[in-house]
Amino acid sequence: DTGVSQNPRHKITKRGQNVTFRCDPISEHNRLYWYRQTLGQGPEFLTYFQNEAQLEKSRLLSDRFSAERPKGSFSTLEIQRTEQGDSAMYLCASSFPRTSGGWDTGELFFGEGSRLTVL
Amino acid sequence: QKEVEQDPGPLSVPEGAIVSLNCTYSNSAFQYFMWYRQYSRKGPELLMYTYSSGNKEDGRFTAQVDKSSKYISLFIRDSQPSDSATYLCAMSDYGNNRLAFGKGNQVVVIP
Repeated sequence: DTGVSQNPRHKITKRGQNVTFRCDPISEHNRLYWYRQTLGQGPEFLTYFQNEAQLEKSRLLSDRFSAERPKGSFSTLEIQRTEQGDSAMYLCASSFPRTSGGWDTGELFFGEGSRLTVL
Repeated sequence: QKEVEQDPGPLSVPEGAIVSLNCTYSNSAFQYFMWYRQYSRKGPELLMYTYSSGNKEDGRFTAQVDKSSKYISLFIRDSQPSDSATYLCAMSDYGNNRLAFGKGNQVVVIP
């Protein structure tokens, strides 16, 4: 295991369909993050987990989005009733926290992303 | 106004030149500052990580943070064609939690 793995790498779907992305973090990392990146923009934070607990969600994560990390290992991000505005690269990242004042200051390792195209 | 502003204009420089990139931000609570490099169709990879104000040097890369001006910079000395990538600034108030990224600068180093 040399890095964060994301599948599928590219998904093309029709508007209204549901899609699910999977992220396998680096095995000893207990923090897992999801970000979304649209063309010409920097990544935007969506949510993060520590082990199986989802600790924070962005306002960007509408009710159509749900993320899980059931056993504290891999994570899934599901988008229901996709819209064209959901077209983006979905990036997963993981870290093994080096805490400083209780905050995670360890290096964040990103996967190569899952690109979603909604037609 | 976005929390982090980074002029996304592409930058072309000849090999060996110094590349200078910068970001400004509005949230005075930010105290962790990072620069990521992103190659085409790849995820970002961490280049530099700085806490609070000051300078940090790592090989050909120097990161500077001026919290009083809410301004951060990245300098790449002796630029190489392999440095051609998009450079993203990122920052947060609580370490890795909820990073705020700039739009990124596409840098092309011409041999």
